[in-house]
Amino acid sequence: DTAVSQTPKYLVTQMGNDKSIKCEQNLGHDTMYWYKQDSKKFLKIMFSYNNKELIINETVPNRFSPKSPDKAHLNLHINSLELGDSAVYFCASSQGSEPYNEQFFGPGTRLTVL
Amino acid sequence: AQSVAQPEDQVNVAEGNPLTVKCTYSVSGNPYLFWYVQYPNRGLQFLLKYITGDNLVKGSYGFEAEFNKSQTSFHLKKPSALVSDSALYFCAVIYGGGRRALTFGSGTRLQVQP
Repeated sequence: DTAVSQTPKYLVTQMGNDKSIKCEQNLGHDTMYWYKQDSKKFLKIMFSYNNKELIINETVPNRFSPKSPDKAHLNLHINSLELGDSAVYFCASSQGSEPYNEQFFGPGTRLTVL
Repeated sequence: AQSVAQPEDQVNVAEGNPLTVKCTYSVSGNPYLFWYVQYPNRGLQFLLKYITGDNLVKGSYGFEAEFNKSQTSFHLKKPSALVSDSALYFCAVIYGGGRRALTFGSGTRLQVQP
């Protein structure tokens, strides 16, 4: 019954490693997002995909690469992890492409880079 | 450019008392305004939104918010607070001109004391 799911829930890794976070939604939504929440709880958009097409790409290092194999999935791959990448990453989805539609968030992935 | 400000890091209120969580916004056009709530170790949940029409918007769990164009505010209110309302509340804005990404405020922690 989970609407937006993310795996893993926790990710602890060393600097310099490459890691991926997966996101899946079973709501039939057309648009998916990645957000980053830092230690002070600031929440910022990273990417947005609509029907597998990248529509928002904020000022994010090239080490971050989203991949959308289909409408229901939006994965986040991070190369050469740095200490500053430690944060909680949230995936979200919304119906259609209208900007005012409610977004449904996943439970988050807490990434700790040592 | 669009931005949203939540001037209070924390709001404390006694159970049964009315609560207000403040939000002001800045957009160069007609705003779409939202409130989301985050419970500990959870993703964000949608509470309510203002798109157009009636300035008083009612949402989930008895919350409501009033859009005030002259004061560029969208304060969240509830007539009678519950201990279970204790959480982190985020105001967010999308510029009606089409950018699809939510810009979030810094969040306000609501603490309801029994």
